[in-house]
Amino acid sequence: GENVEQHPSTLSVQEGDSAVIKCTYSDSASNYFPWYKQELGKGPQLIIDIRSNVGEKKDQRIAVTLNKTAKHFSLHITETQPEDSAVYFCAGLNQAGTALIFGKGTTLSVSS
Amino acid sequence: EPEVTQTPSHQVTQMGQEVILRCVPISNHLYFYWYRQILGQKVEFLVSFYNNEISEKSEIFDDQFSVERPDGSNFTLKIRSTKLEDSAMYFCASSESMNYGYTFGSGTRLTVV
Repeated sequence: GENVEQHPSTLSVQEGDSAVIKCTYSDSASNYFPWYKQELGKGPQLIIDIRSNVGEKKDQRIAVTLNKTAKHFSLHITETQPEDSAVYFCAGLNQAGTALIFGKGTTLSVSS
Repeated sequence: EPEVTQTPSHQVTQMGQEVILRCVPISNHLYFYWYRQILGQKVEFLVSFYNNEISEKSEIFDDQFSVERPDGSNFTLKIRSTKLEDSAMYFCASSESMNYGYTFGSGTRLTVV
């Protein structure tokens, strides 16, 4: 089945810096890669996603890049703000396409 | 913005008791899911549900778990005989399409004592 590896597990940046979180996946047939943000005590919230027919997608300060050859995708947050502090999860679809499988999460801390 | 609603937000139960966690998915969504998250760990898939039947289930989803869509709006997860290790946050999610756009609820924190 699909396996999603996420790095790093923790990331600390200064306000205004960029943050990059990377994930690798195992199933070359995977075609959908979302990123979720989870704040303390809340459910995961979809922040951006990408399908395999594009290499990059941007939404204001957030971007996701996909390298299908290398089977990895990355979340880029520019001009980080304290409110970006949260746990970020990448995910990929399982082999049957019937469920999302999550990475282990990255705890992002943005200090002002 | 449409949201997935879960009740209760927190449930405490005695070991061996049955619990039912409730979810109201987004109204035009057809695919439903349950996930769990043990404190500080990753979000783990339990089960997916479509057209009134289970599409996929994980190894975690053993015989003590069951899901049901009792009416047109609710989606429930039942744990028949709770164990201490069932203590976790349980998240319901729904999606309009099978393979994208999952929306998660805020979760039910289950504590088994």
